[in-house]
Amino acid sequence: SQTIHQWPATLVQPVGSPLSLECTVEGTSNPNLYWYRQAAGRGLQLLFYSVGIGQISSEVPQNLSASRPQDRQFILSSKKLLLSDSGFYLCAWSPGDYNSPLHFGNGTRLTVT
Amino acid sequence: GEDVEQSLFLSVREGDSSVINCTYTDSSSTYLYWYKQEPGAGLQLLTYIFSNMDMKQDQRLTVLLNKKDKHLSLRIADTQTGDSAIYFCAESMGPLGGGNKLTFGTGTQLKVEL
Repeated sequence: SQTIHQWPATLVQPVGSPLSLECTVEGTSNPNLYWYRQAAGRGLQLLFYSVGIGQISSEVPQNLSASRPQDRQFILSSKKLLLSDSGFYLCAWSPGDYNSPLHFGNGTRLTVT
Repeated sequence: GEDVEQSLFLSVREGDSSVINCTYTDSSSTYLYWYKQEPGAGLQLLTYIFSNMDMKQDQRLTVLLNKKDKHLSLRIADTQTGDSAIYFCAESMGPLGGGNKLTFGTGTQLKVEL
């Protein structure tokens, strides 16, 4: 069966520091991968998605970037965090069929101080 | 447009049925989904329905789709305290370069009281 792992679970970082959040998927190959941000405990905003190694698409302009160095690894990064980057970050994967549902990791709670 | 709407809160007594409603705007959506989020956790896929179906039942869960009115509902029978969570509906906006672009509602906080 497929599993998705995200880490760390929680992170407190000062303004201006770098960020690296990691997500890996097991039990499948060539998954579609996604990064979402959830603000104020409710709305989900799609940040990035990837349909293959090295292929990254950004949905909204922001202070963050994403990379996919391996087939089942998706990384969310920032060179300098802003206060507004605080939030709950969720990684998700879906099979290649574009109608397939997304499966989410447990999320990372990021607090920028 | 891409706008999925849900009421923010619902409170029910344990053992009663819960009905969570959702309206969407894109009539071309092919699949509609329900997710559950417990405090501090990720989203768990509960069920989903293809747009040419009117109803889908899965144990205590019943999904009803009114495509004419663009209305989706999730009924939870015999609601338990463990059902307390935020419930999100989502619609598939179509291919996302090979991926699946989902638009999520704002979520409904379900509170189950004893």
